Formats: sequence, C-alpha cells, structure tokens
Amino acid sequence: ETGVTQTPRHLVMGMTNKKSLKCEQHLGHNAMYWYKQSAKKPLELMFVYSLEERVENNSVPSRFSPECPNSSHLFLHLHTLQPEDSALYLCASSQSPTGDGAGELFFGEGSRLTVL
Amino acid sequence: GQNIDQPTEMTATEGAIVQINCTYQTSGFNGLFWYQQHAGEAPTFLSYNVLDGLEEKGRFSSFLSRSKGYSYLLLKELQMKDSASYLCALRNSNYQLIWGAGTKLIIKP
Repeated sequence: ETGVTQTPRHLVMGMTNKKSLKCEQHLGHNAMYWYKQSAKKPLELMFVYSLEERVENNSVPSRFSPECPNSSHLFLHLHTLQPEDSALYLCASSQSPTGDGAGELFFGEGSRLTVL
Repeated sequence: GQNIDQPTEMTATEGAIVQINCTYQTSGFNGLFWYQQHAGEAPTFLSYNVLDGLEEKGRFSSFLSRSKGYSYLLLKELQMKDSASYLCALRNSNYQLIWGAGTKLIIKP
C-alpha cells in the first residue's frame, strides 16, 4: 500500500470508446503525475499538476485529457485512443521537489490499458 | 542532451552481491534516484543521491560520482524477492526526472 490508489486496474476499450482513469492520494502531497509505461522503455511523463495547476504537458496527444479537481484526485480522460496507446498508466504523487527532502515519487499500482 | 543508460538485464545468484550501473549525461543535476519495480506492481523508492559518495540502507547501497556521470546500486545478500526491475532516474536543473529503461534483475537459487 503506497498511499496512492488507481482505478480501474485493468481496462479494455475500443478505439471509439470514452473512459477515464482515476487516481487518489492519501499522503498530503502537493504534486501529482501521470506516466505511461511501455515494455522495455523509460517511463514517459505525460502530465504534472502542482497545487492543482497543470505545470507540465509533454506533447501528449489531445485524445488524453487530464483533470485535477483537488490536490488529492487526478483523472485521465481517454477518447478515440489508438492501439499503440496500450500500456500501463501510472499515477504518482510527491511533495514539491524544490522543498526539503528528496521529493521522491509515490506510485500507484497502475491501470493496464488495452486498446482494441 | 540528456540521457541515461543502464543494462537491460542481469542475472545473479541468491546470497551473492550484484552491482547495477547507471551512467548519465545532463546539462544540470539535482539528484539521482533508484526505484524498484516488481512485475505487475508500482515502482517504489529505494534511494536518493545528490552528493558524491555511498549511501547505505540495509542490504542496498547507492553510489554517485557527479564528475563521472555515474551511479550504481549495490545489492548484498541477494534474496529471491530481489528479482525485480531497477529504475535509475536523474533529476535535472529544471527538477524534471529523466528515466532509464530499467534493469531487470533475475535471481537464481
């Protein structure tokens, strides 16, 4: 139990579907992240929210849409995805890395997405 | 540019010692992290180095040489449960994390 909970753990969707991934952190952190993890590739940062404001968007296709309603919750809305979007989507949280301490990431278990 | 290299896969024997290397190139440095990820699970934080030298934490130690752009993770008294992927990540001067592709460690009895 890392203090970061993701749902659903597994999701299969067609290319025309709309679905959402949810993340909740119980650690009192002020930053939240979405990462994409594909086999044998480095983690790809998708979005960063700090104090509920999006501070980073790494050229992610518009078919991925993040939402951060408060500092504990993060969503990733999915629509008209492609088969190459199939991957493990990891949510993480941290204290601000510019503050005291390492600012290490605490990850959720991930949502395994398969796009047919 | 910025990049990180680490071996794709390593094999070691239970009870032995293994060293996983990570080399990097960056224009700015704000710390180096190691994470462990068991298959099907979340990555978990292992260590953080921002100054040169060795940080020891139980059976695991992490070393950093900023001048050489080099770090290693040392695992002693290997146990079967240490079979996992080990991710090296560099934090640059913009506080962005640059990730390696991970090293899959296989422990054999």
